[in-house]
Amino acid sequence: GAVVSQHPSRVICKSGTSVKIECRSLDFQATTMFWYRQFPKQSLMLMATSNEGSKATYEQGVEKDKFLINHASLTLSTLTVTSAHPEDSSFYICSSRSSGANVLTFGAGSRLTVL
Amino acid sequence: KQEVTQIPAALSVPEGENLVLNCSFTDSAIYNLQWFRQDPGKGLTSLLLIQSSQREQTSGRLNASLDKSSGRSTLYIAASQPGDSATYLCAVRWAGNQFYFGTGTSLTVIP
Repeated sequence: GAVVSQHPSRVICKSGTSVKIECRSLDFQATTMFWYRQFPKQSLMLMATSNEGSKATYEQGVEKDKFLINHASLTLSTLTVTSAHPEDSSFYICSSRSSGANVLTFGAGSRLTVL
Repeated sequence: KQEVTQIPAALSVPEGENLVLNCSFTDSAIYNLQWFRQDPGKGLTSLLLIQSSQREQTSGRLNASLDKSSGRSTLYIAASQPGDSATYLCAVRWAGNQFYFGTGTSLTVIP
């Protein structure tokens, strides 16, 4: 079945640094990629939707200059948390579906801790 | 406003019991609904996908039903096992690309 590889699975960084999270679709073309964040004991909140080769669409309240999303190829999308602060500490998960597909496939998630 | 609600938030059952998890949604004009499992600190694993034209889907001990008119879906787990312990999330897709997630039900199956 479809597999999305996400890494790093865990990252700890100092406040003010930037962190990049990668999601790769291993055996399908990810025409659409969704980025979610999840706080402890809460559900997933959609941050942005990206389509290959075009700019991401951000949800209300999500700062596009802080959470940079690049979907430059059909197999790779990246989320960069710029100038991270402790309140950005969260679990970030990507998901993807191929063109015409209905099923969402998720990465394993990346836990970011900002000191 | 499109919202997805899951009740109960937490459930604890002895091993072997059959159980039902509930998901309700506003706006019956859904495209599809998907049930996921999430283990602590992990990503999501897709369990079942129900298209808007379908009434139910089955996979092993799992059965998901869909009643669009009442805005509800249930996930039935038969003969529960300790390995079923996880958080179960339902996600609804309306028109467009987005999936809206419920808040999840945390299931604990006691050996």
